[in-house]
Amino acid sequence: DVKVTQSSRYLVKRTGEKVFLECVQDMDHENMFWYRQDPGLGLRLIYFSYDVKMKEKGDIPEGYSVSREKKERFSLILESASTNQTSMYLCASSSLLRGVYGYTFGSGTRLTVV
Amino acid sequence: QQQVKQSPQSLIVQKGGISIINCAYENTAFDYFPWYQQFPGKGPALLIAIRPDVSEKKEGRFTISFNKSAKQFSLHIMDSQPGDSATYFCAASRGSSNTGKLIFGQGTTLQVKP
Repeated sequence: DVKVTQSSRYLVKRTGEKVFLECVQDMDHENMFWYRQDPGLGLRLIYFSYDVKMKEKGDIPEGYSVSREKKERFSLILESASTNQTSMYLCASSSLLRGVYGYTFGSGTRLTVV
Repeated sequence: QQQVKQSPQSLIVQKGGISIINCAYENTAFDYFPWYQQFPGKGPALLIAIRPDVSEKKEGRFTISFNKSAKQFSLHIMDSQPGDSATYFCAASRGSSNTGKLIFGQGTTLQVKP
């Protein structure tokens, strides 16, 4: 069974801390994504990567950075956590299959910044 | 132009009833429209998807209706069951892009009452 694994289900961090969210996929997918999910706002794209060491900003990149040193791993970094970054973070990977990109999501990391 | 607008935000339906969720988009370059289903504690999973060359696609109790001229598409769940209670997201993407980056709607929380 193919998987996208996020390292933590729940995290509590203090304001100003540097936070790392890790995501690993075992499907050899080229593309990986980080979304945040907030009630009433849906899934908003933070960053995505279409190849190792390649990254592009999504719709809400401010306050975040990413790292993709290996194809299977995509990390989201909160340089200095703030309370407005309290949210559910979802990682996804995708690859082209029969003409469309199929997405597989991880189960999410619920981050609380206090 | 990148937005996908989804309504309603929440929906309560009796068991056996029809659940209808609507989405609208602006970008005419979008050519792939999936629906994702998310249960509590899980990441979203692909439910059903449609291309704009057809007006309707049915898979079991789930049907997508697509109106290209109105730039709208909707999900119909026939004979709704308590097990359908979940959050539903519509999405859109441009198949010609090299990542198939999905733009998601705001989400609809569906509760099916026994």
